[in-house]
Amino acid sequence: NAGVTQTPKFQVLKTGQSMTLQCAQDMNHEYMSWYRQDPGMGLRLIHYSVGAGITDQGEVPNGYNVSRSTTEDFPLRLLSAAPSQTSVYFCASSYGTGAETQYFGPGTRLLVL
Amino acid sequence: LAKTTQPISMDSYEGQEVNITCSHNNIATNDYITWYQQFPSQGPRFIIQGYKTKVTNEVASLFIPADRKSSTLSLPRVSLSDTAVYYCLVGDDSNYQLIWGAGTKLIIKP
Repeated sequence: NAGVTQTPKFQVLKTGQSMTLQCAQDMNHEYMSWYRQDPGMGLRLIHYSVGAGITDQGEVPNGYNVSRSTTEDFPLRLLSAAPSQTSVYFCASSYGTGAETQYFGPGTRLLVL
Repeated sequence: LAKTTQPISMDSYEGQEVNITCSHNNIATNDYITWYQQFPSQGPRFIIQGYKTKVTNEVASLFIPADRKSSTLSLPRVSLSDTAVYYCLVGDDSNYQLIWGAGTKLIIKP
């Protein structure tokens, strides 16, 4: 049982480039979400999904796309990277949609030059 | 919309009991209040959750008053390894979105 896995661990992009951050979980959780965490700050919700085929926007969705074709995978796409997207990105999953136990991945550190 | 307030930082010493309070209003009446711990360069890790009154597990206790307008995380006999940022998490009562506290940086001194 690997829990929540994220790849890559670290990525450097140039402004305007696109990329996909991968997230997978093997706990059969319906709820998955993406957060960004800027240095010294708290978590901000980007997008979330309550099940395969269903996604919705969080607090800071601009510049990001998501899809949920399977229960296990929830990739986050940066369409055209900007320096303001330099951050640490965390993927999380939980059984339900409420404030119950969420399991976090190790994070992806993204630097946009 | 729900709003949470936590102290930005706290200091304590090894062996002491530490209490961190999160104030929260307009939270979902049928949802948990959950606390997480985060070390540098790691994702948040679940500590404890409760609905009302008091919950205790092997690492912490959580006190929630009847009006659920606040919650207090209690860490007994802290050690240096408890130095971390602690977040409260609640659900909003209107749209059921999850609302994270801004985090409390706890520093434990020898």
